[in-house]
Amino acid sequence: AQSVTQPDIHITVSEGASLELRCNYSYGATPYLFWYVQSPGQGLQLLLKYFSGDTLVQGIKGFEAEFKRSQSSFNLRKPSVHWSDAAEYFCAVRKDGAAGNKLTFGGGTRVLVKP
Amino acid sequence: DTAVSQTPKYLVTQMGNDKSIKCEQNLGHDTMYWYKQDSKKFLKIMFSYNNKELIINETVPNRFSPKSPDKAHLNLHINSLELGDSAVYFCASSPRLATDTQYFGPGTRLTVL
Repeated sequence: AQSVTQPDIHITVSEGASLELRCNYSYGATPYLFWYVQSPGQGLQLLLKYFSGDTLVQGIKGFEAEFKRSQSSFNLRKPSVHWSDAAEYFCAVRKDGAAGNKLTFGGGTRVLVKP
Repeated sequence: DTAVSQTPKYLVTQMGNDKSIKCEQNLGHDTMYWYKQDSKKFLKIMFSYNNKELIINETVPNRFSPKSPDKAHLNLHINSLELGDSAVYFCASSPRLATDTQYFGPGTRLTVL
């Protein structure tokens, strides 16, 4: 069975500092990979996704993520964090051909931004 | 303009009651989903429907019954509510079943007292 691990439950960064959120997945082949953000009291918004091709993908709000097959990782990065980036971030995977387009989510990483 | 909408946003009810949550998408998508997010923020799929047909039922108790009157709507009815049902329920949709990105609604926070 596939699984998704986000090792960091909380991360605190200073505004303007860089941010990296880790995501590791367990699956035999290359899955489809997603990062979603959930702002307080809001639904999930897609930041970016990786299906194939260039392993460095650009998303919205200045985020990017890099797929590393050798490490089974899909880490999310932002060079300079803004206070509005304080939110919960979820990594998700979908198995190629998975019946029902089922997404499996990691446990989330809460990002706090210090002034 | 709202793409995926849910009503109500908050729902507080007593144990044993029956309640429904409604979801509508105006994106013209074929596929809709229900997810449950527990108190630890863990998100897990419950159901998916494609063109009104049930595709995934992720071992959810049969007290939960989704209903899709048309492609644009997927409602969730819950019978005999239990304390453990307290969670945030998210509806989502995607253009097709196979490979597409899912778009999420704002969530419904259900509190069972």
